[in-house]
Amino acid sequence: DTAVSQTPKYLVTQMGNDKSIKCEQNLGHDTMYWYKQDSKKFLKIMFSYNNKELIINETVPNRFSPKSPDKAHLNLHINSLELGDSAVYFCASSQGTGGYGYTFGSGTRLTVV
Amino acid sequence: AQSVSQHNHHVILSEAASLELGCNYSYGGTVNLFWYVQYPGQHLQLLLKYFSGDPLVKGIKGFEAEFIKSKFSFNLRKPSVQWSDTAEYFCAALTSGSARQLTFGSGTQLTVLP
Repeated sequence: DTAVSQTPKYLVTQMGNDKSIKCEQNLGHDTMYWYKQDSKKFLKIMFSYNNKELIINETVPNRFSPKSPDKAHLNLHINSLELGDSAVYFCASSQGTGGYGYTFGSGTRLTVV
Repeated sequence: AQSVSQHNHHVILSEAASLELGCNYSYGGTVNLFWYVQYPGQHLQLLLKYFSGDPLVKGIKGFEAEFIKSKFSFNLRKPSVQWSDTAEYFCAALTSGSARQLTFGSGTQLTVLP
């Protein structure tokens, strides 16, 4: 069983479109995250949710809106996609504040054309 | 704000060579430290972690890391690398406090030549 699963794995879309990426974890963790990995492999946190509540919201354009319907799911919706949004987006989860580390999903490669 | 630095951007080694990847963090308080590995096209996997106690921690696949508090360092080592160790390696730090988050270094690409 995949611990943290993301769908879709690949997403190619045109500029201006709206798209969503879904994430689910079956580890029983109470905290979930979205990270963006750019073309230089640099990983930056975007959002963090604990028990469906937003606890970290880094400097991210408000075109990005996370939604957590329950503590096992954290989806990422992106409006009006831009070329610069092309990246790999990783979902992760942890128990509490992640003292034992985060478990990452396999990533979603988003390409905006 | 805390930061994590990895000074080696790309390391190329031959099989059986010894490996040491540098990692420094900038945070004066209690910090948890991690090394993750990302094989080509895959997600990040945890190699090892340090919380407290013995500063020499052992992880999976024969990797180990040493926490040196006075140097704010947490270098990753492996005595003899294999071709299958070719991957991107990330050091990360988790600070104490109410808004904890895992901050990553910029990564080191390791290429092992057969």
